[in-house]
Amino acid sequence: AQTVTQSQPEMSVQEAETVTLSCTYDTSESDYYLFWYKQPPSRQMILVIRQEAYKQQNATENRFSVNFQKAAKSFSLKISDSQLGDAAMYFCAYRSAQGGSEKLVFGKGTKLTVNP
Amino acid sequence: DTEVTQTPKHLVMGMTNKKSLKCEQHMGHRAMYWYKQKAKKPPELMFVYSYEKLSINESVPSRFSPECPNSSLLNLHLHALQPEDSALYLCASSLSISGIQETQYFGPGTRLLVL
Repeated sequence: AQTVTQSQPEMSVQEAETVTLSCTYDTSESDYYLFWYKQPPSRQMILVIRQEAYKQQNATENRFSVNFQKAAKSFSLKISDSQLGDAAMYFCAYRSAQGGSEKLVFGKGTKLTVNP
Repeated sequence: DTEVTQTPKHLVMGMTNKKSLKCEQHMGHRAMYWYKQKAKKPPELMFVYSYEKLSINESVPSRFSPECPNSSLLNLHLHALQPEDSALYLCASSLSISGIQETQYFGPGTRLLVL
């Protein structure tokens, strides 16, 4: 079974600075998808960024980018120019590319605080 | 537009009550999901509907009964719940259940308190 580990329960960053959230995963599959979701206190889970494992190029979405290291099974999220609105719980998630594998496997989350 | 709506936002119910949670999306997605999330924990998958048919039931107690009347609507019927069922219930949808189109978009959730 696949597992996702987020080793940082809490992180903090100064406004306008850069922060990196860690995520590692364990799988024997070669094809899969990885996601970062953000859940602010308003509680809605918002998709931040996604990565297909077959793509070598790291995904980017504006201030958010990932460092995808397939061999190391690592999928870290970098937030540049941090803003107060980035404060949230961040979940890393894995999904198999195999048919019939609809389940998202989540990590335990990292709570990010942004200090003004 | 990646909007999934859920009603009600908050629900308080007794252990003998019957209530329903509602989820709606108008993005043409054909897969819909129910998750349960306890405080400071990641979401746990409960049910998956694909093309209006139940695809996954993660061994959820029968006091939770999902229903998918059409491709846009997903309900979760609640009956004889226990206090430990108090949680945030999240609905999600995706275009399909295969490929990157499986990317799930979540609703704002219903905060349920069982007394």
